[in-house]
Amino acid sequence: DAMVIQNPRYQVTQFGKPVTLSCSQTLNHNVMYWYQQKSSQAPKLLFHYYDKDFNNEADTPDNFQSRRPNTSFCFLDIRSPGLGDAAMYLCATSRFGTGLAATNEKLFFGSGTQLSVL
Amino acid sequence: EDKVVQSPLSLVVHEGDTVTLNCSYEVTNFRSLLWYKQEKKAPTFLFMLTSSGIEKKSGRLSSILDKKELFSILNITATQTGDSAVYLCAGPDRGSTLGRLYFGRGTQLTVWP
Repeated sequence: DAMVIQNPRYQVTQFGKPVTLSCSQTLNHNVMYWYQQKSSQAPKLLFHYYDKDFNNEADTPDNFQSRRPNTSFCFLDIRSPGLGDAAMYLCATSRFGTGLAATNEKLFFGSGTQLSVL
Repeated sequence: EDKVVQSPLSLVVHEGDTVTLNCSYEVTNFRSLLWYKQEKKAPTFLFMLTSSGIEKKSGRLSSILDKKELFSILNITATQTGDSAVYLCAGPDRGSTLGRLYFGRGTQLTVWP
């Protein structure tokens, strides 16, 4: 019955070795988000897709890329992970985005992928 | 600068105690404020508040919003060990086309038996 599914739950990569995190949803929501959450910090929005339209946050490093091949799937690619990229990565969806009617501002989160960089 | 500020950052209580968690916010064109509970995984939705002074309740949890003072509280009565979690407050910013959700750092609540 999982609605937003993230794989893997834990990911270990080496410094500089590209890594891809995946997210899928069964809700048929238009918007998918990627958040980065470091220990004891607030989740920070990296980017989001409204359908196929990609919206990058101004302060998201170029090292982070995303792909959304279809409505259900979204990927986060980290091209050259550094030690500072170790964090929990949360995928979330919403029906129409957080800028429209209040009823659509609720986000549904996946369980997250905890990334470690060695 | 922080747009959503939560306090306290950490709270330790015993089962049966009542706790109040605070959230102050400053977002462009306020629309709503949301509370989430995060255990060792994804945040789960608790409340969405859009109107000032109207309390929302779900079992032992309740929340209220003060739009004038840009403030919200989350109350948990008769706490249980299962309430131990990080409680996140978030506000959407409608300054952009789609908006974005600003999260506070959260309050880490620990309930001891």
